[in-house]
Amino acid sequence: EVQLVESGGVVAQPGGSLRLSCAASGFTFGDYTMHWIRQAPGKGLEWVSLISWNSGRAYYADSVKGRLTISRDNSKNSLILQMNSLTTEDTALYYCAKDIRTYSWYSGFDSWGQGTLVTVSS
Amino acid sequence: QSVLTQPPSASGTPGQRVTVSCSGSSSNIGSNYVYWYQQFPGAAPKLLIDRNNQRPSGVPDRFSGSKSGTSASLAISGLRSEDEAVYYCAAWDDSLRGYVFGTGTKVTVL
Repeated sequence: EVQLVESGGVVAQPGGSLRLSCAASGFTFGDYTMHWIRQAPGKGLEWVSLISWNSGRAYYADSVKGRLTISRDNSKNSLILQMNSLTTEDTALYYCAKDIRTYSWYSGFDSWGQGTLVTVSS
Repeated sequence: QSVLTQPPSASGTPGQRVTVSCSGSSSNIGSNYVYWYQQFPGAAPKLLIDRNNQRPSGVPDRFSGSKSGTSASLAISGLRSEDEAVYYCAAWDDSLRGYVFGTGTKVTVL
């Protein structure tokens, strides 16, 4: 059974940094592109970033480009999102999600974690 | 970057058929697959429709998807009370080099 468990969400100050992690199990992590998707309180879904199975490709939403960095460690089945220069607009529940198909980055996402809450406030 | 447009709400009585539309452009729906997700309050989204019209294992055949040009639709036939949820469409956007989600449609069973 696929399991994705996010962690690292905290209350942070504007301009601050934090690091989110996602621990994956139940599938061959190194074969799949992984995604971060967020949802502000009471709002819709916003795709944030993806990293391909071999870290060869990384794409970002315009709203986070230059501030957020996605990375992965296939030896540890771990996905990371480094968040810098935080703004109140980054307040959201952050989900990690697995791509549907192996060796693809545009085939959608199937399994999602339960999310980790990031609150940016002074 | 929510560039897919959905109606904010849709409703029907039990047993009715409800459709949810999703309008995009040539760079997203017009040239890529559409995916549909169902989200209940306090829960993570769940994949409902894969590649325009494919139902993943376990999704009831009451749910169906279609795509034409730069628009897509989700249909729920034989509406049931447990279908009350928010539904999102999503697609890869070639111009943005990222995924875009729809604005979300809350389906209510009257």
